[in-house]
Amino acid sequence: QKEVEQNSGPLSVPEGAIASLNCTYSDRGSQSFFWYRQYSGKSPELIMSIYSNGDKEDGRFTAQLNKASQYVSLLIRDSQPSDSATYLCAVKDYGNNRLAFGKGNQVVVIP
Amino acid sequence: DVKVTQSSRYLVKRTGEKVFLECVQDMDHENMFWYRQDPGLGLRLIYFSYDVKMKEKGDIPEGYSVSREKKERFSLILESASTNQTSMYLCASSPTGLSSYEQYFGPGTRLTVT
Repeated sequence: QKEVEQNSGPLSVPEGAIASLNCTYSDRGSQSFFWYRQYSGKSPELIMSIYSNGDKEDGRFTAQLNKASQYVSLLIRDSQPSDSATYLCAVKDYGNNRLAFGKGNQVVVIP
Repeated sequence: DVKVTQSSRYLVKRTGEKVFLECVQDMDHENMFWYRQDPGLGLRLIYFSYDVKMKEKGDIPEGYSVSREKKERFSLILESASTNQTSMYLCASSPTGLSSYEQYFGPGTRLTVT
C-alpha cells in the first residue's frame, strides 16, 4: 500500500480567506489524484480530480499537481462556513484500481 | 448522477451474529470497494472487486468476506461480529478508464456490535 501524507493539523481560516491544503505521495508512478470533502457524520464526496501537472480550477476550488515533487494541493478561495469539513487526498495506485487515501485535514472557517 | 446506496444507515448487532451489509450502484461501474472508517485511522480498505465474482483483499480483510454475484451489487459479510468491528462502513464504486477511477461513496452504515 502506497503512502499518502497529509501532515498539517486542523486549519482555521477566517471567512473570505484562502484555505490551502497539501498532500504528498510516495508512488512516483501514480497518475490520478483526487480531493474529497467529508462533512461530520457523512460520507466522502468527490470535489476535484487532477491528472496532469499544473493547476485545475473548478469554481472556488483549485487543485495543483507537481509530479516531480510528488505533491498535490487544494486551494479554497473565498472560504465559506459551509466549507468547514475534513478534506481527504487520494491517489490511485499504479497498476491496480484502488485508491490510497490520506487521513485528512480538518478545515474550520470562522465567520 | 452516480448513485451508490447502502442497505442501512444504522445497524446494531450482537457479538457472534452474522452481519450482511449490502451496496448497490446504478452507474454500471466495474469496480466496487468496501472500507471502514475509524477516528484517527482514516479510511481502510477491506475488500474490493473489479468484476462480477472477482474479489481482492484490501488492507484489513480479516473477519470479513464479500460477494459480488451481479455487477451492481457488492455485499460485505461479517461472519461472526465482534465489538472491534464497530465502525462506519463505506461502500464505493468507480469506473475503469484511461484517466478515471474516481470513487463515489454511498452514505455509509454505522454498525455497532454489542
